Amino acid sequence: KQEVTQIPAALSVPEGENLVLNCSFTDSAIYNLQWFRQDPGKGLTSLLLIQSSQREQTSGRLNASLDKSSGRSTLYIAASQPGDSATYLCAVRRDQGAQKLVFGQGTRLTINP
Amino acid sequence: NAGVMQNPRHLVRRRGQEARLRCSPMKGHSHVYWYRQLPEEGLKFMVYLQKENIIDESGMPKERFSAEFPKEGPSILRIQQVVRGDSAAYFCASSPTQDYEQYFGPGTRLTVT
Repeated sequence: KQEVTQIPAALSVPEGENLVLNCSFTDSAIYNLQWFRQDPGKGLTSLLLIQSSQREQTSGRLNASLDKSSGRSTLYIAASQPGDSATYLCAVRRDQGAQKLVFGQGTRLTINP
Repeated sequence: NAGVMQNPRHLVRRRGQEARLRCSPMKGHSHVYWYRQLPEEGLKFMVYLQKENIIDESGMPKERFSAEFPKEGPSILRIQQVVRGDSAAYFCASSPTQDYEQYFGPGTRLTVT
């Protein structure tokens, strides 16, 4: 059974810092991994999706890496801003035929001005 | 192209009543997924449907919960005889094919009093 863990559960940093959020999964046989952002009381916004054959994806100040063999992914946020404050979720999809996503519990990020 | 729509956004029910949550997928999407987010927990998969068919309901509680996605109209998640433990945010996602990434709606927040 796939389990996804995100560490830390909460993180507070001053504005401008670069930071790394971690995601680990127990079964390395995944189809893809996705990072989402969730604002309080809101839905999920997809940030980056990494296919199992890829090592990383970049979008603006965000960079996500994937190491399938070790069951780990990181989300790197450069030059953090107060608007980055949100909960960040990672989710894995087991294989092409399995549609359900398995989510971690998230990292609650606060960027202090 | 409007995103995934869910209504109502907030729903309050007394114990024992029925809750009906609606999800309208994005235009052209025929695959719908329901997830539940309990307080202080991650999102958990409930059910995956295509038009008129339930494909995977492995995450659905055995009793009181049902889902449908008729040929015409939105997908409905129905909870009969609600209990306090059903209080959660229920998210719907859709995709155009089973291989494509899922797009999430804003969620319905159910409160059982």
